[in-house]
Amino acid sequence: KNQVEQSPQSLIILEGKNCTLQCNYTVSPFSNLRWYKQDTGRGPVSLTIMTFSENTKSNGRYTATLDADTKQSSLHITASQLSDSASYICVVSAVSGGGADGLTFGKGTHLIIQP
Amino acid sequence: EADIYQTPRYLVIGTGKKITLECSQTMGHDKMYWYQQDPGMELHLIHYSYGVNSTEKGDLSSESTVSRIRTEHFPLTLESARPSHTSQYLCASSEVQSMNTEAFFGQGTRLTVV
Repeated sequence: KNQVEQSPQSLIILEGKNCTLQCNYTVSPFSNLRWYKQDTGRGPVSLTIMTFSENTKSNGRYTATLDADTKQSSLHITASQLSDSASYICVVSAVSGGGADGLTFGKGTHLIIQP
Repeated sequence: EADIYQTPRYLVIGTGKKITLECSQTMGHDKMYWYQQDPGMELHLIHYSYGVNSTEKGDLSSESTVSRIRTEHFPLTLESARPSHTSQYLCASSEVQSMNTEAFFGQGTRLTVV
């Protein structure tokens, strides 16, 4: 069964600090991995998307890494800001001949930035 | 910013009422999806569509129904709302899948059935 596990479940850090969120997956055959940011009460917004050949991708202060061999990804946030407070969701897509693109969602990491 | 819209944003309704949650996108995407998300939990796919007149049930069983008469419009209907339907409903759309296909989400409809 395809699964996406994220850790930690929740995280509290001080403004200006860095943090790293983890994502482990058992989705096969792998197509791509995306990180989404979801503000409370809003829809998810894409931060990065990576295919199996990409090891790292940056989007401003967000840097995602992917190790397709160990099936692990991380999202590093640099110099956190109060607006970074949100849930961060790891979504892994399987190559599929049918169905809804084989998307498997993690439960997310709830990040709180304190002033 | 994605051009996908959901209405209403919030809805409180009594048990037994019929409701329709609206979702529209202006990106010309063929694929559209409905997800259900309880607080603090992951998104679960309840319906999806590959295009006009195409609708399929997702991984999570749902008593809701959907229709796809126009490419841009993908409404979700509950014939008789129950408290167990209380949840957030998120609509999404995407192009035909390529290696970098991305799903764009609407703002969501938070439904409360009393």
